[in-house]
Amino acid sequence: DSGVTQTPKHLITATGQRVTLRCSPRSGDLSVYWYQQSLDQGLQFLIQYYNGEERAKGNILERFSAQQFPDLHSELNLSSLELGDSALYFCASSVQTGDPSGTQYFGPGTRLTVL
Amino acid sequence: DQQVKQNSPSLSVQEGRISILNCDYTNSMFDYFLWYKKYPAEGPTFLISISSIKDKNEDGRFTVFLNKSAKHLSLHIVPSQPGDSAVYFCAASPNAGNMLTFGGGTRLMVKP
Repeated sequence: DSGVTQTPKHLITATGQRVTLRCSPRSGDLSVYWYQQSLDQGLQFLIQYYNGEERAKGNILERFSAQQFPDLHSELNLSSLELGDSALYFCASSVQTGDPSGTQYFGPGTRLTVL
Repeated sequence: DQQVKQNSPSLSVQEGRISILNCDYTNSMFDYFLWYKKYPAEGPTFLISISSIKDKNEDGRFTVFLNKSAKHLSLHIVPSQPGDSAVYFCAASPNAGNMLTFGGGTRLMVKP
């Protein structure tokens, strides 16, 4: 158990809909990262938040957005869903300071299926 | 453009023998390298890491070697155990706390 929690574990929805994925980082971790794992793309970085502020953006679609709240949990919002958005979405967290390796610890993921 | 590549999609070894998983990268800005293990329906689990100032890091049965001039790293598992059967990902980052760029993964099967 990495200490990172994600809900829900599975999500099935229809095209055009909007969903919210939730992540709680390990206790004490200030940085949260979101990754997408699809069959043909592998693990791809989406976005990073540090202590409530957006820190870095990767290949995140404009239909997707995220935020990190004062209690440090994070939400990833996916809207106008398309079939190609079906994937595993992982959240990871790291201390950011004091850990020179920058090790990220991953949650169990949310499997999103868009029908 | 794949900046981190794992050219072997799968590897099969006998229990007790050495498993060697390889990873190549192209971005010379990468300074930290990590290996993760992933079981089906679970998130990646951190195994071991190495920074560019070292060429070897060891943790129990796991050793990571880094060859900066060749932009190549490898993970050695000795001795291999059936429970090591999983998909292994190498990942790289330019600085601590930055986004990780992952390779495509290598599926390791350790046969009893």
